[in-house]
Amino acid sequence: AQKITQTQPGMFVQEKEAVTLDCTYDTSDPSYGLFWYKQPSSGEMIFLIYQGSYDQQNATEGRYSLNFQKARKSANLVISASQLGDSAMYFCAMREVTGNQFYFGTGTSLTVIP
Amino acid sequence: GAVVSQHPSWVICKSGTSVKIECRSLDFQATTMFWYRQFPKQSLMLMATSNEGSKATYEQGVEKDKFLINHASLTLSTLTVTSAHPEDSSFYICSASRSDRGLGNEQFFGPGTRLTVL
Repeated sequence: AQKITQTQPGMFVQEKEAVTLDCTYDTSDPSYGLFWYKQPSSGEMIFLIYQGSYDQQNATEGRYSLNFQKARKSANLVISASQLGDSAMYFCAMREVTGNQFYFGTGTSLTVIP
Repeated sequence: GAVVSQHPSWVICKSGTSVKIECRSLDFQATTMFWYRQFPKQSLMLMATSNEGSKATYEQGVEKDKFLINHASLTLSTLTVTSAHPEDSSFYICSASRSDRGLGNEQFFGPGTRLTVL
C-alpha cells in the first residue's frame, strides 16, 4: 500500500485565494512526522512545514498551514492568499519513527492564475 | 536552515561514459544522505541510502553496480553513474538529515543534477 497518497495531480487557484492540497498517509507507527515540500520548475526542494503526530495544534508557517486530522490520517496543506510564485509542484512526505527514510507522495501541480 | 550543495548542476555525456555527482552538507554533519531520481512531472524515487563509513543501502530494482555510492565523510557523498546510457538521463537529487535532531528532522535537499546522456 502507498504510504503517502496525493489524489490531486493538478490544481488551479485564483491569485489571492486560498487553496487546499490533499494528503493522506498510511502508517502503523505510533510516532511519525509529516512534511510538505515545494518544488518550483528550477527543481530544488523547498521545505514548507512540519507536523508531528503528537502535536496538539496544527502547524502554521506564514501563509502555510497544515490541517492535521489524525483519525482520518490526513495532512492537508492550506495555502492562504495565493501568489503567482506559489505555482509549483507540492509534495507531501512522511517519516516514521522506525526509520530515517522519507516517503513521498506523487505530488500536486499547483497553478496560480492571475 | 542547513545547506546542501550538489555538483555539477547539469551534465551532458556520451553513452558509455561514467559520471560522478557530489553531494555536500556545507554547515552540518550528515551521517545519512539519500539519493533520489526524478523523471519529469513525477515524484522523487529513492535510489539508495548512503551511510558514512559503510555500504549504501539500495532500494529494490536499483542496480548497485551501476549506481555506485560512496559516503567518504560526514559531509560528502558521491553517486557515480557507470557506463551511462540514454535511459539514465534524469534529475538526480541528494538530501541529508542532521544527525542531532529527532522525528521532526527535515531532509535538506541539494539543488539537483540534471543528467543527459547522448
